[in-house]
Amino acid sequence: QVQLLQSGPEFKKPGASVRVSCKTSGYSFTYYGISWLRQAPGQGLEWMGWISAHNGNTNFAQKFQDRVSLTYDTSTTTQYMELRSLRSDDTAVYYCARDRDAYYDYWGQGTLVSVSS
Amino acid sequence: DIVMTQSPHSLAVSLGERATINCKSSQSVLFSISNRNYLAWYQQKPGQAPKLLFYWASTRASGVPDRFSGSGSGANFTLTISGLQTEDVAVYYCQQYFGSPRTFGQGTRLEI
Repeated sequence: QVQLLQSGPEFKKPGASVRVSCKTSGYSFTYYGISWLRQAPGQGLEWMGWISAHNGNTNFAQKFQDRVSLTYDTSTTTQYMELRSLRSDDTAVYYCARDRDAYYDYWGQGTLVSVSS
Repeated sequence: DIVMTQSPHSLAVSLGERATINCKSSQSVLFSISNRNYLAWYQQKPGQAPKLLFYWASTRASGVPDRFSGSGSGANFTLTISGLQTEDVAVYYCQQYFGSPRTFGQGTRLEI
């Protein structure tokens, strides 16, 4: 069955960077892209960006364009999201989700990233 | 950006009754060539990741009970839950994937 297993919680100081991983299984890795989304405490869902696992093409929401990198390792079927120059308002649960024509049919369990001095 | 507006913000419905959640987009999300609405619905229970309910506005995702239905076209959409059950308590989100960035409604909290 399709599974997306994310890395554990991260506690960072302002200005630092964080990398979240998303280990995928149960489907042909290069056939589907992955989107990354986040949810601030008590808030709604926000799409950050997308990466094709076929050719590495990316598309980002403009607000994250300069601070986010999306990469993957085909050999381990793992996706990665790096967010730089962290601020307190980056505190959120970050999700990877399998991107199916830009709707999301399978989601990771979420990774809490907490940014505080 | 396409703005998605859901109503109501919260909703309390009795067990066995019907719940209706509305979603309005700031522009049409209907792609005329394919006649498909680029609209999805998700259910998020407390402490869990969202779960896909519908895509293309009315295509039910695998395993979703048929008491859930999605309808609408253009810029106005509805999620209906008939015969409400306790496990339906959740926050429901609509999402457009017609334009980039992909955007979500603010969510509707459904309670018993």
